[in-house]
Amino acid sequence: NAGVTQTPKFQVLKTGQSMTLQCAQDMNHEYMSWYRQDPGMGLRLIHYSVGAGITDQGEVPNGYNVSRSTTEDFPLRLLSAAPSQTSVYFCASSYLVADQETQYFGPGTRLLVL
Amino acid sequence: KNQVEQSPQSLIILEGKNCTLQCNYTVSPFSNLRWYKQDTGRGPVSLTIMTFSENTKSNGRYTATLDADTKQSSLHITASQLSDSASYICVVSFNDYKLSFGAGTTVTVRA
Repeated sequence: NAGVTQTPKFQVLKTGQSMTLQCAQDMNHEYMSWYRQDPGMGLRLIHYSVGAGITDQGEVPNGYNVSRSTTEDFPLRLLSAAPSQTSVYFCASSYLVADQETQYFGPGTRLLVL
Repeated sequence: KNQVEQSPQSLIILEGKNCTLQCNYTVSPFSNLRWYKQDTGRGPVSLTIMTFSENTKSNGRYTATLDADTKQSSLHITASQLSDSASYICVVSFNDYKLSFGAGTTVTVRA
């Protein structure tokens, strides 16, 4: 199994540009989520999904959109990039019964918005 | 205000020595507490998961403790190795799938 994969690894954007961060998992996990990690802060939840066709907002959803058309894929879209969105983005997945199931994280996408 | 506070922010230890990291949380209702290890430039990897009824759980040289009454947890690293150099993140689970992350403790192991 490849686990959780993310592309691209690095990206530089100009303010106002849009882009999609890709996330895929091959473990048949129902639950997928996106986090951002900023220096000195814990990971913050952007959006999450408990299954195909179902998405919900997390702690910091503004400026981001998601969709979940398949169990495997959970892309994150930046509609109009802003310097405040410079961060490291992590995608994670787990089985739906999350109480004892660990979350598996992807390697991250490092985004710089100029 | 962050509901999960970790201390110290960073520490340096010599190879072979032990160390203990602290985690205090105010998250409620509590479901479980997790410790993750994050190597530089990588995603977090799970070390342990404990429910409120568990006091301790080990994973190799890593031992986590939990006191649900005082809302405190610790992660003890025994006989540290250079590969233990990483950030260690305390995560508290509450309200189904919601997780609250600490900012992490950066551990540097020196030869």
